[in-house]
Amino acid sequence: GQQVMQIPQYQHVQEGEDFTTYCNSSTTLSNIQWYKQRPGGHPVFLIQLVKSGEVKKQKRLTFQFGEAKKNSSLHITATQTTDVGTYFCAQNTGNQFYFGTGTSLTVIP
Amino acid sequence: SAVISQKPSRDICQRGTSLTIQCQVDSQVTMMFWYRQQPGQSLTLIATANQGSEATYESGFVIDKFPISRPNLTFSTLTVSNMSPEDSSIYLCSVGGLAGSYEQYFGPGTRLTVT
Repeated sequence: GQQVMQIPQYQHVQEGEDFTTYCNSSTTLSNIQWYKQRPGGHPVFLIQLVKSGEVKKQKRLTFQFGEAKKNSSLHITATQTTDVGTYFCAQNTGNQFYFGTGTSLTVIP
Repeated sequence: SAVISQKPSRDICQRGTSLTIQCQVDSQVTMMFWYRQQPGQSLTLIATANQGSEATYESGFVIDKFPISRPNLTFSTLTVSNMSPEDSSIYLCSVGGLAGSYEQYFGPGTRLTVT
């Protein structure tokens, strides 16, 4: 199956610092979704991006889809301890979905 | 959105046995999927559960090992057959395609340990 690469694999930040995770594909993506998985939990849908260059915001979270639709980023401003978890991007080809490798975020109080 | 339940939530099984995991959705959905997630890893798609026909399996997963049923639009089962310790993982079902969107909703998962 296909897989989208994410960097970094792990990130530790002090509470209040910003955080960014990047999702990269070698092929053009039709769309991309972002999910958050808390420790011990299941993935929860955050957002979907479809258009080239699209930017969407959810409070302190900013999601961006690259102009070439081959990459995406999730940026969190002023992290809080509630942001702890693993963030996955995901893309679909037809009715099949493939998840990125994930970025595990630790927030140090 | 959709509310998804899975049973069992966890199990410890002996090698060579089989376990069937159930996934129930509170509404009719077109797309249902089964994933495997090993500790600290990403999600790997096992198969798409198709209502009324055979499931569509991803590379590396076969029907004899992971038979899937989908008798209707709200229910599916995944069986892990002839288990070995390498099958220890979290198994998640998800649904997608609601209101024409690609977003997926996941069940709480089944944590399987094979001894």
